[in-house]
Amino acid sequence: AQSVTQLDSQVPVFEEAPVELRCNYSSSVSVYLFWYVQYPNQGLQLLLKYLSGSTLVKGINGFEAEFNKSQTSFHLRKPSVHISDTAEYFCAVTVSSNTGKLIFGQGTTLQVKP
Amino acid sequence: SAVISQKPSRDICQRGTSLTIQCQVDSQVTMMFWYRQQPGQSLTLIATANQGSEATYESGFVIDKFPISRPNLTFSTLTVSNMSPEDSSIYLCSVGQGRSEAFFGQGTRLTVV
Repeated sequence: AQSVTQLDSQVPVFEEAPVELRCNYSSSVSVYLFWYVQYPNQGLQLLLKYLSGSTLVKGINGFEAEFNKSQTSFHLRKPSVHISDTAEYFCAVTVSSNTGKLIFGQGTTLQVKP
Repeated sequence: SAVISQKPSRDICQRGTSLTIQCQVDSQVTMMFWYRQQPGQSLTLIATANQGSEATYESGFVIDKFPISRPNLTFSTLTVSNMSPEDSSIYLCSVGQGRSEAFFGQGTRLTVV
């Protein structure tokens, strides 16, 4: 079975500072990895995904993540955050050929302060 | 990409009643997925809805409580039956397109009083 652990439930950071949201996964087979963002009272939006190939993936809004197979990690980073990045961030994995079947981490609340 | 519409967007229901949530996709998809997001929690998969067959439920979820219909390749419904306050959650419909990404509806925010 697969599982996802987001190591920080809340991450407070000042505007224009860098941020890293940590995600570790457990799986005995190859996985596909995703980061989703959920703004208050809204649905989920895909930030970025790793399916194969380059381990450094770039997403929307200046976010990037690096897949580290040996560490079983997929940490999300942004060099300079904005107030508008305040949201809930979910790491997710699937081993299914249909990426609708996802296992989500517990979520990390990113709080960007002025 | 896929555009997913969910109805209703929110509802307040009395305990003991049932609510049916509708999910409409703008393209034909083989599988549709229903998730639950309890207050302050992450998303948990309830079931996978396949067209032409019974839904497949995840551990902890049963058909009597969460019956699902999938009459065609663009539509599905999830019913939350005999509701209690513990069913207060956001329910989300999702579709995946091969190995690309999953698309989510805006969710149905359910409050049971």
